[in-house]
Amino acid sequence: QVQLVESGGGLVKPGGSLRLSCAASGFTFSDYYMSWIRQAPGKGLEWVSYISSSSSYTNYADSVKGRFTISRDNAKNSLYLQMNSLRAEDTAVYYCARAEPSDSSGWYYFDYWGQGTLVTVSS
Amino acid sequence: EIVMTQSPATLSVSPGERATLSCRASQSVSSNLAWYQQKPGQAPRLLIYGASTRATGIPARFSGSGSGTEFTLTISSLQSEDFAVYYCQQYNNWPPLFGGGTKVEIK
Repeated sequence: QVQLVESGGGLVKPGGSLRLSCAASGFTFSDYYMSWIRQAPGKGLEWVSYISSSSSYTNYADSVKGRFTISRDNAKNSLYLQMNSLRAEDTAVYYCARAEPSDSSGWYYFDYWGQGTLVTVSS
Repeated sequence: EIVMTQSPATLSVSPGERATLSCRASQSVSSNLAWYQQKPGQAPRLLIYGASTRATGIPARFSGSGSGTEFTLTISSLQSEDFAVYYCQQYNNWPPLFGGGTKVEIK
């Protein structure tokens, strides 16, 4: 069965960096776009970033553009999110999710999610 | 940027009753709309995609309808495990946006 397991969260000071990882299993990882989605404590869901199956295409929310970098290693069935210049408003549970394409729009919904990893940005 | 508005924010329903949740887009998203269920402390789970297609393993009591700007998620007979927060998400345009959620609570 499809399994996504995030790791790497923790407490970091404002301006600091953190790298999240997501280990995928139960499907052919290299066939799928992947995404990071976050949820601030007590709040709703916010899409963060996409990466194409071959890493040729990446996309970011305006709120993280220039600070976060998504990447993947298909040989290791792993997805990553490098987060730099972290701010208090980046505090959230970060989920990795498998992305499924629309038949018509070229954009994606999310059919499998990991359990999430908590990132806390505080001094 | 499209705005996704869900209503009501909270819905109080007795077990066995029908629940109707609404999601409105500020401009047409065609049928590129998904619904997710999230229970406390858990990750979201995909329920519906393409506005009306149930995801794998989702019970038939969950149904989605609508197109364009108005969408509905109906739970025909609420079970105890259905009390949760429900989110809609549009994927017709960039960025993929979620609604603010509807909490379905026990009446």
